[in-house]
Amino acid sequence: DSGVTQTPKHLITATGQRVTLRCSPRSGDLSVYWYQQSLDQGLQFLIQYYNGEERAKGNILERFSAQQFPDLHSELNLSSLELGDSALYFCASSVGAGGTGELFFGEGSRLTVL
Amino acid sequence: GENVEQHPSTLSVQEGDSAVIKCTYSDSASNYFPWYKQELGKRPQLIIDIRSNVGEKKDQRIAVTLNKTAKHFSLHITETQPEDSAVYFCAAYNTGNQFYFGTGTSLTVIP
Repeated sequence: DSGVTQTPKHLITATGQRVTLRCSPRSGDLSVYWYQQSLDQGLQFLIQYYNGEERAKGNILERFSAQQFPDLHSELNLSSLELGDSALYFCASSVGAGGTGELFFGEGSRLTVL
Repeated sequence: GENVEQHPSTLSVQEGDSAVIKCTYSDSASNYFPWYKQELGKRPQLIIDIRSNVGEKKDQRIAVTLNKTAKHFSLHITETQPEDSAVYFCAAYNTGNQFYFGTGTSLTVIP
């Protein structure tokens, strides 16, 4: 158990819909990262938050948004969903803002768009 | 930005043999290089990492080497076991606050 909690574990929805994925980082970790992993693909970095502020942005679509709340949990909002958004979405946390430390991944949220 | 290339994409070895996975990166400012193992249906987990001021690091059957001049680093697994079968990801981190992951290597250890 990494200490990172993601909900829901599985989600099935239709094209055009909107979903919210939730992540609770490890106790004491201030950074939260979101990654997308499509079938047979690597880990695509979406966005990082540190202590409530956006820290780095990757290949995140405009239809996607995220935020980190004062209690440090984070939510990833995916809207106007398309078939191609079907993927495993991982949240990871780390202690500091910088990256020279271990990323602790959650179990992932598997999104299926029909 | 950084670009991390990883090879091979698939690798099959006999149990007991060694496995080597190689990654190259493009940004000379990258200074931290972790390796993650992802078993089927599970989350990635850190198995070993190396910082730019070190050339080699070893942890039991796993070792990582870094060549800063050539901008490449490699994962070496010796005496492979069936439980080593997984997808392995390399990554590079730079001051842009992003981890750039390779595309993964699916390792199969044949008993």
